[in-house]
Amino acid sequence: DSGVTQTPKHLITATGQRVTLRCSPRSGDLSVYWYQQSLDQGLQFLIQYYNGEERAKGNILERFSAQQFPDLHSELNLSSLELGDSALYFCASSFSGTNTEAFFGQGTRLTVV
Amino acid sequence: DQQVKQNSPSLSVQEGRISILNCDYTNSMFDYFLWYKKYPAEGPTFLISISSIKDKNEDGRFTVFLNKSAKHLSLHIVPSQPGDSAVYFCAASGIGGTSYGKLTFGQGTILTVHP
Repeated sequence: DSGVTQTPKHLITATGQRVTLRCSPRSGDLSVYWYQQSLDQGLQFLIQYYNGEERAKGNILERFSAQQFPDLHSELNLSSLELGDSALYFCASSFSGTNTEAFFGQGTRLTVV
Repeated sequence: DQQVKQNSPSLSVQEGRISILNCDYTNSMFDYFLWYKKYPAEGPTFLISISSIKDKNEDGRFTVFLNKSAKHLSLHIVPSQPGDSAVYFCAASGIGGTSYGKLTFGQGTILTVHP
């Protein structure tokens, strides 16, 4: 158990809908990262928050947004969903935001039908 | 643009022998490297890391070697055990700019250890 909790574990939704994925980081970790793993791709970095502020952005679509709340949990919002958004979404956390190992949650499997 | 590459999609070894997983990178700004192990339906689990100021780091059966001039790192598992069978990801992060703690992952290598 990494200490990172993601909910829900599975999500099935229709195209055009909006969903919210939730992540609780390990106790004491200030940094939260979101990654997407599609079938034909490796783990792709989406976005990072550090202590409530956006720190780094990857190839995150404009239809996707995220935030980190004062209690340090984070949410990833995916809207106007398309079939191609079906993927595993992982959250990871680390104490600092630089050059340190990140610990991953078990992921949320999103299926868009 | 694949900045971190694991050119072997799969590797099969016998129990008790050495497993060597390889990783190449192209971005010279990377200065911290990690290996993760992933089982199906689970998140990646951190295994071992190495800073660019070192060329070797050891933790039990796992050793990571870094060759900066060749932009190459490898993970050695000795002795290999059937429980090591999983997907292994190489990852890298860099200093400065907007890199922060962002990890760039390779595509993964499926390791199968046969009893």
